[in-house]
Amino acid sequence: GQQVMQIPQYQHVQEGEDFTTYCNSSTTLSNIQWYKQRPGGHPVFLIQLVKSGEVKKQKRLTFQFGEAKKNSSLHITATQTTDVGTYFCADGDGDAGNMLTFGGGTRLMVKP
Amino acid sequence: DGGITQSPKYLFRKEGQNVTLSCEQNLNHDAMYWYRQDPGQGLRLIYYSQIVNDFQKGDIAEGYSVSREKKESFPLTVTSAQKNPTAFYLCASSNGYSNQPQHFGDGTRLSIL
Repeated sequence: GQQVMQIPQYQHVQEGEDFTTYCNSSTTLSNIQWYKQRPGGHPVFLIQLVKSGEVKKQKRLTFQFGEAKKNSSLHITATQTTDVGTYFCADGDGDAGNMLTFGGGTRLMVKP
Repeated sequence: DGGITQSPKYLFRKEGQNVTLSCEQNLNHDAMYWYRQDPGQGLRLIYYSQIVNDFQKGDIAEGYSVSREKKESFPLTVTSAQKNPTAFYLCASSNGYSNQPQHFGDGTRLSIL
């Protein structure tokens, strides 16, 4: 089946540093959704990217979809302790209703 | 407030026992999903249902069963055939159309006694 790879698996940063997580696939992605899961919590939808080369911003978060629709990235500028959690990308399978294939996630830890 | 309610929050299973995890939503969503999450891992799809009285196996359906008799409810049974049931189970729902976000419940942590 389709696989969505996410790197890095873990990232420790000092508060104020930037952070980036990458999502890659060997096949073309239908669309990319990004979710955040706080420690002990459940995934919460952040954003969706559909178009090739699309870039969206939410305050300090910047989401990009690759031109070939085979990769995506989430960049956080000047991390804060509230950014702690695991960030997941998920590919939506357009041929199967609203099925999602999740990447393994990147766990972000922020030192104050 | 609309949302997804999972119960119980914690559940313990004895050897040879079946247990059922509850998932109820009042978002009027057509589609519902069950995922399994192991420590430090991503989400793996167990079962999903796009409409009442219909459901499909996901990537790791063996040892699990579901029913979808009502739009609001999608219970998951972890059977004794599931030899490694200890995990965090997440239920989600969406309106069923492509490219829609999924909304998650708070999850159930299942452990073996």
